[in-house]
Amino acid sequence: DSGVTQTPKHLITATGQRVTLRCSPRSGDLSVYWYQQSLDQGLQFLIQYYNGEERAKGNILERFSAQQFPDLHSELNLSSLELGDSALYFCASSVASGYEQYFGPGTRLTVT
Amino acid sequence: QQQVKQSPQSLIVQKGGIPIINCAYENTAFDYFPWYQQFPGKGPALLIAIRPDVSEKKEGRFTISFNKSAKQFSLHIMDSQPGDSATYFCAASTGNQFYFGTGTSLTVIP
Repeated sequence: DSGVTQTPKHLITATGQRVTLRCSPRSGDLSVYWYQQSLDQGLQFLIQYYNGEERAKGNILERFSAQQFPDLHSELNLSSLELGDSALYFCASSVASGYEQYFGPGTRLTVT
Repeated sequence: QQQVKQSPQSLIVQKGGIPIINCAYENTAFDYFPWYQQFPGKGPALLIAIRPDVSEKKEGRFTISFNKSAKQFSLHIMDSQPGDSATYFCAASTGNQFYFGTGTSLTVIP
């Protein structure tokens, strides 16, 4: 158990819908990272927050957004969902940028 | 463009063998190189990591070899066990952005 929690574990929704994925980092970790893992794309970095501020952006679509709240939990919002958005979404946390990342168990999103 | 190139895609070894997974990168700004192990249905777990100022790091049965001039690094698993069967990812980081390899599926046959 990494200490990072993610909810929900599974999510099934229809195309065009909007969902919110939630992540709570390990106690004491200030950085939160979001990743998308699909069979054909591997593990793709989406976005990083550090202590509430956006720190780095990766391959995040404009339909996706994220934020980190004062209590350091983070949410990833996915809108206008498409079939291709079906994937595992992982959150990871670290003490600060450039440090070891600890991954949560993931949220499996299925868009039908 | 794949920032970190990982090979092989899959690997099958006998118990006790030494599987080797290789990664290569181009960006010399990368200063942190971790390896992650992922079991089916689970999140990746940090296995071992290295900074570019050392050429080798060992933790238990896992060893990272790092060649800064060649911009390559590799993971060696000594005395591999069936429980090591998993997908292994290398990664490279500039401190903020992380780039992962495409993963290597390792199967250790008893």
